[in-house]
Amino acid sequence: SQQGEEDPQALSIQEGENATMNCSYKTSINNLQWYRQNSGRGLVHLILIRSNEREKHSGRLRVTLDTSKKSSSLLITASRAADTASYFCATDDFGNEKLTFGTGTRLTIIP
Amino acid sequence: SQTIHQWPATLVQPVGSPLSLECTVEGTSNPNLYWYRQAAGRGLQLLFYSVGIGQISSEVPQNLSASRPQDRQFILSSKKLLLSDSGFYLCAWSGTVGNLREQYFGPGTRLTVT
Repeated sequence: SQQGEEDPQALSIQEGENATMNCSYKTSINNLQWYRQNSGRGLVHLILIRSNEREKHSGRLRVTLDTSKKSSSLLITASRAADTASYFCATDDFGNEKLTFGTGTRLTIIP
Repeated sequence: SQTIHQWPATLVQPVGSPLSLECTVEGTSNPNLYWYRQAAGRGLQLLFYSVGIGQISSEVPQNLSASRPQDRQFILSSKKLLLSDSGFYLCAWSGTVGNLREQYFGPGTRLTVT
């Protein structure tokens, strides 16, 4: 079953605004990852945050992780039309050779 | 650098026909390999994964099967397709050195069963 649940399911914002997506999960994790999927394409790995990290940055992306609340957030600053895509979180659980993907947030950037 | 290939890109098949989707990875050895299915506008459903040649783990009981005849080749098959098999099929690989397990996805195959 899917462990990660993204919130909101869909988000529309004006270009230049910041976009925040949240992910909740249920079990202990080794790390949490965020992926982007453009329509009709494969997923692209964006960023990974380990369980002992609380915040990580990559360009315009900022990821936070709160293991006590079993939640993570992805912030995209100064959004661009090209950021329009679906975003998925995925958890790497201990002892598994697989990731558990969430249901995704569909982000639309309005020019 | 590593690359992952999937083919065909699109496929339209009648109900009851067989299926074979192929995925190959270049530029790495002994990868973990994964098959996912994605319904329109939905999340990913893990179908199969493999940690080595001939080693297949099935996540969802269904009329699909997977095989890994070579280290960097992963095949998804069906003997008789159902309408419910329609979807977007994604292959992915991850490394086995360390324990970070980022996954890298192919471009996907859009399967329509008619």
